[in-house]
Amino acid sequence: DTGVSQNPRHKITKRGQNVTFRCDPISEHNRLYWYRQTLGQGPEFLTYFQNEAQLEKSRLLSDRFSAERPKGSFSTLEIQRTEQGDSAMYLCASSLAGGLAGAMSTFFGPGTRLTVL
Amino acid sequence: AQSVTQLDSHVSVSEGTPVLLRCNYSSSYSPSLFWYVQHPNKGLQLLLKYTSAATLVKGINGFEAEFKKSETSFHLTKPSAHMSDAAEYFCVVSDRRNTDKLIFGTGTRLQVFP
Repeated sequence: DTGVSQNPRHKITKRGQNVTFRCDPISEHNRLYWYRQTLGQGPEFLTYFQNEAQLEKSRLLSDRFSAERPKGSFSTLEIQRTEQGDSAMYLCASSLAGGLAGAMSTFFGPGTRLTVL
Repeated sequence: AQSVTQLDSHVSVSEGTPVLLRCNYSSSYSPSLFWYVQHPNKGLQLLLKYTSAATLVKGINGFEAEFKKSETSFHLTKPSAHMSDAAEYFCVVSDRRNTDKLIFGTGTRLQVFP
């Protein structure tokens, strides 16, 4: 499968615990995005990378959130000291910057559903 | 700032009847607009995209959308609904400075009855 993959698909944790999610983008894609989708809402932008550089972070990304893309390939999103309000679907997407189709080349993964008890 | 408003949170149709999902956009420039579909437990899938070429855009699975600047609308239509069309649909506009960064509407849940 050459699409965007995310692991784990589901995560249940207790409040105050740390969690880490992984995203593997399409191999030739240089941009990687994280979005958060809460129940009944559309996805909201969190942050994005071009290669290994994190170029933009949303105000939604509190200090408890950190994302990395160390070698410009896979990315991790860590949430420290989880709160019940962090419960959501975390979506990863990748694209090829400068591609002829622009955002036509943006592909989404299936998401990681986080439940904080 | 760019934004989209989806006018209906739920739409119900009978199989074989037309589908209309409504979306209005707000943008100070000529936007790129999209419709995405999200089936349960599946990733977001692009249905179609408008980027200032033809105002009537045809997408996958028989869907199409028409860009109307005078009405700031980008409604999604399909002549005949199929049971497999039941899903969540998102109207999306791209960020002006970064066209890969997407700004989503709140979604419209489409139900299709037999």
